[in-house]
Amino acid sequence: GQQVMQIPQYQHVQEGEDFTTYCNSSTTLSNIQWYKQRPGGHPVFLIQLVKSGEVKKQKRLTFQFGEAKKNSSLHITATQTTDVGTYFCALGGSARQLTFGSGTQLTVLP
Amino acid sequence: NAGVTQTPKFRVLKTGQSMTLLCAQDMNHEYMYWYRQDPGMGLRLIHYSVGEGTTAKGEVPDGYNVSRLKKQNFLLGLESAAPSQTSVYFCASRGTANTGELFFGEGSRLTVL
Repeated sequence: GQQVMQIPQYQHVQEGEDFTTYCNSSTTLSNIQWYKQRPGGHPVFLIQLVKSGEVKKQKRLTFQFGEAKKNSSLHITATQTTDVGTYFCALGGSARQLTFGSGTQLTVLP
Repeated sequence: NAGVTQTPKFRVLKTGQSMTLLCAQDMNHEYMYWYRQDPGMGLRLIHYSVGEGTTAKGEVPDGYNVSRLKKQNFLLGLESAAPSQTSVYFCASRGTANTGELFFGEGSRLTVL
């Protein structure tokens, strides 16, 4: 089955600093999704990337899909306390199930 | 806008007891999933269903059973609970196979003593 590595596991930043989490797959992906889970909450969909080399932006969030479609990143510019939570990538392949990364827990210090 | 509803939200069991978690979605989604979430391990797929009357095993199916008798409902059963099944369980649904976002329920926190 698909294997996914997501790094780092934890990240503490000062408010205003940037943040990046990376997701790497052992296989070529058909698509990748990103989710955010606030403390005590449930995962919420952020975005889906499908095309090789794709870059999408949502306000301060920038999502990239690697050229080989085996890796992806989520970058947050100038973090705010509202960005606190765990960010997960989820790999879509030929199967009907999504494989989630272990997540990056982001703490933003005011 | 109910979306995905899970019941119960909290439950405490003794080892060996049985219980069923209910997931209901009102979005007419074909695909439904049960995940468990443990600290530092992300979300692991237990079982999933691609339509009414069908179920399939995920990554960690042992100790669990599921049923999808109606399209809108996906039940997760524990026949003989074990402390290793203490976790937060999330149900999710989506409309299509390889694209489309997952909609998650709010989670069910299960403690097995």
